[in-house]
Amino acid sequence: KNQVEQSPQSLIILEGKNCTLQCNYTVSPFSNLRWYKQDTGRGPVSLTIMTFSENTKSNGRYTATLDADTKQSSLHITASQLSDSASYICVAGYSSASKIIFGSGTRLSIRP
Amino acid sequence: SQTIHQWPATLVQPVGSPLSLECTVEGTSNPNLYWYRQAAGRGLQLLFYSVGIGQISSEVPQNLSASRPQDRQFILSSKKLLLSDSGFYLCAWSGGQYTGELFFGEGSRLTVL
Repeated sequence: KNQVEQSPQSLIILEGKNCTLQCNYTVSPFSNLRWYKQDTGRGPVSLTIMTFSENTKSNGRYTATLDADTKQSSLHITASQLSDSASYICVAGYSSASKIIFGSGTRLSIRP
Repeated sequence: SQTIHQWPATLVQPVGSPLSLECTVEGTSNPNLYWYRQAAGRGLQLLFYSVGIGQISSEVPQNLSASRPQDRQFILSSKKLLLSDSGFYLCAWSGGQYTGELFFGEGSRLTVL
């Protein structure tokens, strides 16, 4: 069964600290792995997209890693800011049926 | 640059009433268009997608329907709303392949009472 699991479900950290969000996926055949940021009540916004041949991709203070062998991805946020408070959604694409599947997200709260 | 507009942002409707959510894309031609629903604490669920005018694919059986009367217009409808239709609806577009980058609208919060 194709699925995407994210952990933790929620996370609270202090402003300025770093954090890492995890994503495990089971899709076949794997095509790409994406991370989205979704502010409360808004549409998701793309942070990174990685194909199976890419191990890491950065977007400012956001760095995503991908291990296609273990089917794991992580999103590392450096020097967190209050504006980083949002849900972060991992999405796996699988190419045979041109499908993508969404994880349920990690709710990140940054405290001053 | 490309933009996507979705409206209304918030809607409160009684059970049994009709529904129409609209989505338009600007700055691109022949986009792939999608309607997603997001339940609290759940991943986005694909409802419909369209690769061209009049071409609609449904992913799950439900009380909703979709139409694409123009290249950059996508409409989500229902003749009679159910309580279970409440949720956050998102329109999105992508260029080319379905597995390409998705660009989402701002979402429509539907509450059915």
